[in-house]
Amino acid sequence: AQSVTQPDIHITVSEGASLELRCNYSYGATPYLFWYVQSPGQGLQLLLKYFSGDTLVQGIKGFEAEFKRSQSSFNLRKPSVHWSDAAEYFCAVSRWNNDMRFGAGTRLTVKP
Amino acid sequence: DVKVTQSSRYLVKRTGEKVFLECVQDMDHENMFWYRQDPGLGLRLIYFSYDVKMKEKGDIPEGYSVSREKKERFSLILESASTNQTSMYLCASKSVEGGLNQPQHFGDGTRLSIL
Repeated sequence: AQSVTQPDIHITVSEGASLELRCNYSYGATPYLFWYVQSPGQGLQLLLKYFSGDTLVQGIKGFEAEFKRSQSSFNLRKPSVHWSDAAEYFCAVSRWNNDMRFGAGTRLTVKP
Repeated sequence: DVKVTQSSRYLVKRTGEKVFLECVQDMDHENMFWYRQDPGLGLRLIYFSYDVKMKEKGDIPEGYSVSREKKERFSLILESASTNQTSMYLCASKSVEGGLNQPQHFGDGTRLSIL
């Protein structure tokens, strides 16, 4: 069955430091992968997506993600974190019937 | 930009009440979804709809029903609310054009408390 695992429930980084959020997926065919961000009290906003081609994809707000088929991973990165990046981040995979499987989320705290 | 509007941001209801959560999208999307979000569990799919009058059960449909009489509107119904249905509810819509590559677009959520 398709599934998504985000191993880190909570991550704290200092402002200006680099960030990597991990995501592992389980999917038999070519995965369609997404990262979303949720600010407190808000819905989910799409950061970026991957379905084929270049394995390094660029998104909004300076985020990027790298697809590694051999590791079944789709990790999200940002070179320098800003205080406004504090939020919850969700990795998701699109299923054959158009619905999505979401990971449990990683909450990011940014220290001044 | 796609806009998905959920009728209430916060809602407080009593046990046993019938509760309606409404969701409207303005992009003529075929697919619409209802999720509930609980800490540590991520988003869990309650129901989704491929098109008008069509619905499919998701992972946790028990205690819920849905209605989609018009393409732009997807309603979630708690037939007899219970305290374990206290949660954040998120609605989403998606175009089928472009296939699985298309993202889902989310509303701001309804935080529902059942007392």
